[in-house]
Amino acid sequence: KNEVEQSPQNLTAQEGEFITINCSYSVGISALHWLQQHPGGGIVSLFMLSSGKKKHGRLIATINIQEKHSSLHITASHPRDSAVYICAVPGAGSYQLTFGKGTKLSVIP
Amino acid sequence: EPEVTQTPSHQVTQMGQEVILRCVPISNHLYFYWYRQILGQKVEFLVSFYNNEISEKSEIFDDQFSVERPDGSNFTLKIRSTKLEDSAMYFCASRDISYEQYFGPGTRLTVT
Repeated sequence: KNEVEQSPQNLTAQEGEFITINCSYSVGISALHWLQQHPGGGIVSLFMLSSGKKKHGRLIATINIQEKHSSLHITASHPRDSAVYICAVPGAGSYQLTFGKGTKLSVIP
Repeated sequence: EPEVTQTPSHQVTQMGQEVILRCVPISNHLYFYWYRQILGQKVEFLVSFYNNEISEKSEIFDDQFSVERPDGSNFTLKIRSTKLEDSAMYFCASRDISYEQYFGPGTRLTVT
């Protein structure tokens, strides 16, 4: 089973700050997911990546397969970015996802 | 853009009652999943379903749980006799042959 660790658990930032959230996992994977969960509870998929870097608007996700590590960056953070960000990875030989505990981000105006 | 839908958004039931949570996956997807998230905890895998049968299940998915794709569009999770500890947010997800899973908005189940 893959173990997933995220850091930090909680993050408070001023509007406009650059945000980094980290994710480490224990078993080599095919692809990693970054998800966003808003206070209402719904989950939205932000990225799925298996190598390198992906960018969508102000969000950037990177992954280093050799080091088993991924980062999610938010540039020019905004209060509407306030949410829980979750990293999820498949198990070895499996597509079922193992989830990190999430990083609760609060962006203050 | 196609999306996964789930109904109801919130279900309240009494302990011992049966509940059925419904999901409509994206139409051309072949693989279906149920996950749950107990309040304050991380999301956990329950079961995956492919070709009209369970492909993987976790230790949480005991005999009280069952899944079905009754009509080629819906994907359901049934809990036969609910317990207080079944209170959670239940998420459905689906994918095509790629790895990317698309999540539904979730059903909040409250067992009283």
